[in-house]
Amino acid sequence: GAVVSQHPSRVICKSGTSVKIECRSLDFQATTMFWYRQFPKQSLMLMATSNEGSKATYEQGVEKDKFLINHASLTLSTLTVTSAHPEDSSFYICSARVQENTEAFFGQGTRLTVV
Amino acid sequence: SQKIEQNSEALNIQEGKTATLTCNYTNYSPAYLQWYRQDPGRGPVFLLLIRENEKEKRKERLKVTFDTTLKQSLFHITASQPADSATYLCALRNQAGTALIFGKGTTLSVSS
Repeated sequence: GAVVSQHPSRVICKSGTSVKIECRSLDFQATTMFWYRQFPKQSLMLMATSNEGSKATYEQGVEKDKFLINHASLTLSTLTVTSAHPEDSSFYICSARVQENTEAFFGQGTRLTVV
Repeated sequence: SQKIEQNSEALNIQEGKTATLTCNYTNYSPAYLQWYRQDPGRGPVFLLLIRENEKEKRKERLKVTFDTTLKQSLFHITASQPADSATYLCALRNQAGTALIFGKGTTLSVSS
């Protein structure tokens, strides 16, 4: 199957700083990528849909100024958590599809801990 | 709004038995439904996709059924093995048709 690579896998940052997470499709082009957040023992919650060359579409309740998404190329989307707070600590996962209405391929996830 | 329910948070079975997991959904008529496996600290991995016009789909020891009348999908693992221990998630396309939304998952533990 297609490969989605996410980096870093773990990051610890101080409260008030910003953290950037990268998501790359390694062997296919992805005009659309998706960012999810997962708290312990909870499901994946869709945060936003990242569109190449245009603004991301955020889900209700997700602050677009706090979670900055940039999809500058067909193989790279980035999520920047700005002014991070301890409550932002979570598991962030990106995904992409090769084609519409087919399965999604997920990155390895990024464990963010804000101290 | 759409709602996906995976009734059991945890399921414990013995090796060799068949595991059956349930996914129910409301307020929506999806064109397809998907099942994923997630191991601790990892991203989900795709297992099976079943479309609304398909009653059943199989892949090796996995079988998925899709009943659009009951708004339910059943996911079976036959001859289960300890290596099948993981969290299994069902997923539907959201109403905007743009992204997948997930159930909470069922954590399966297969003991030897």
